[in-house]
Amino acid sequence: QLVLTQSPSASASLGASVRLTCTLSTGHNNYAIAWHQQQPEKGPRFLMKLNSDGSQSKGDGIPGRFLGSSSGAARYLTISSLQSEDEADYYCQTWGTGIAVFGGGTQLTVL
Amino acid sequence: EVQLLESGGGLVQPGGSLRLSCAASGFTFSSYAMSWVRQAPGKGLEWVSGISGSGDTTYYADSVKGRFTISRDNSKNTLYLQMTSLRAEDTAVYYCAKDFSSLILMSDYWGQGTLVTVSS
Repeated sequence: QLVLTQSPSASASLGASVRLTCTLSTGHNNYAIAWHQQQPEKGPRFLMKLNSDGSQSKGDGIPGRFLGSSSGAARYLTISSLQSEDEADYYCQTWGTGIAVFGGGTQLTVL
Repeated sequence: EVQLLESGGGLVQPGGSLRLSCAASGFTFSSYAMSWVRQAPGKGLEWVSGISGSGDTTYYADSVKGRFTISRDNSKNTLYLQMTSLRAEDTAVYYCAKDFSSLILMSDYWGQGTLVTVSS
């Protein structure tokens, strides 16, 4: 079964860096994912598509502070030089045969 | 510029029906799969349904299979979601999303959402 697992919450200080993790279920190590950001009271925004080899393609206007990386079943989103507007929910998404799946989301607090 | 504009949300009684629409612009609509994704109040994102670029193939989450029907009119650049036998647990903001390619159900653009409330 295709499942994405995310930690419910994370926090980091203004100006610091934070790494969010999305873990694919067993047997799905080679799947690409997408990262999406949802700021409070707004719709989701596509950040990037991240492949199993770490290659990535970002959405329109996404700053260089957002970087993806991969290791085994884990897909990471690292945000550097944290700004107040980065406080948001972050979701990973993948797809399989006839289905798309979202992780439960990570709520990022910028201290 | 890609734009997705949902409409058709509103208040409906349990057991009722509603049709959502999503008007797309800024890309070659027929070349891309499209999806509906919903978000219940205070909850995360839930993929609901997807359709291939040609419209020949449709996909549904188990939670809506047999009750919801996704379709598209490529001549009008419009995506639809026909919802029947609505339940309280279908209450959510429904987002239209453009997918990466004709057959990949992973999204790279989102609409602003339309609220569906199922309540008596």
